[in-house]
Amino acid sequence: DGGITQSPKYLFRKEGQNVTLSCEQNLNHDAMYWYRQDPGQGLRLIYYSQIVNDFQKGDIAEGYSVSREKKESFPLTVTSAQKNPTAFYLCASNPGGQPQHFGDGTRLSIL
Amino acid sequence: AQSVTQLDSHVSVSEGTPVLLRCNYSSSYSPSLFWYVQHPNKGLQLLLKYTSAATLVKGINGFEAEFKKSETSFHLTKPSAHMSDAAEYFCVVRGSFGNEKLTFGTGTRLTIIP
Repeated sequence: DGGITQSPKYLFRKEGQNVTLSCEQNLNHDAMYWYRQDPGQGLRLIYYSQIVNDFQKGDIAEGYSVSREKKESFPLTVTSAQKNPTAFYLCASNPGGQPQHFGDGTRLSIL
Repeated sequence: AQSVTQLDSHVSVSEGTPVLLRCNYSSSYSPSLFWYVQHPNKGLQLLLKYTSAATLVKGINGFEAEFKKSETSFHLTKPSAHMSDAAEYFCVVRGSFGNEKLTFGTGTRLTIIP
């Protein structure tokens, strides 16, 4: 079945450590997105990419980085510069003009 | 600029009774609007979408929503709640054509009382 796969489901970060969250889709969608979800808040956009080898900052990009070397893959790195990384991270994708499809998320916590 | 306000952070209804989740939006153009549902520790699933066609939109699992431009509202309803409807619901507005960015409401947690 087509869909979006995020891994791992749970991730722990130590102080000063960078961690990378994986997002893979087999839907052949051009656009991909990363969101952060905190309790009691809606989703906030971190980065998005509308085409391979191109990506744009969203509303809260500081402390995060991404790459888009393949159409299927859009990994997110949470760097040590992100001082409050504990959150639920969601990856999404869509073909142009259509609603976004979401993965099941990665929950990141601080050790 | 666009924004979404979900008027209730938490709604409780008894099983078998109607559900109403309220959403108001602000947009400088004719918007595309969505309702998504999220079960615990899961991603978001699309319930329904409005994209300037019929103002009454039917979605999955018996949900529907009515777009009212005069009231800038897009409330979500269901005639009879089921236990499986317990989840978090998000009202979402999308940017104009060529701008796929979504703006999310803060969510409404729906609790179903047996």
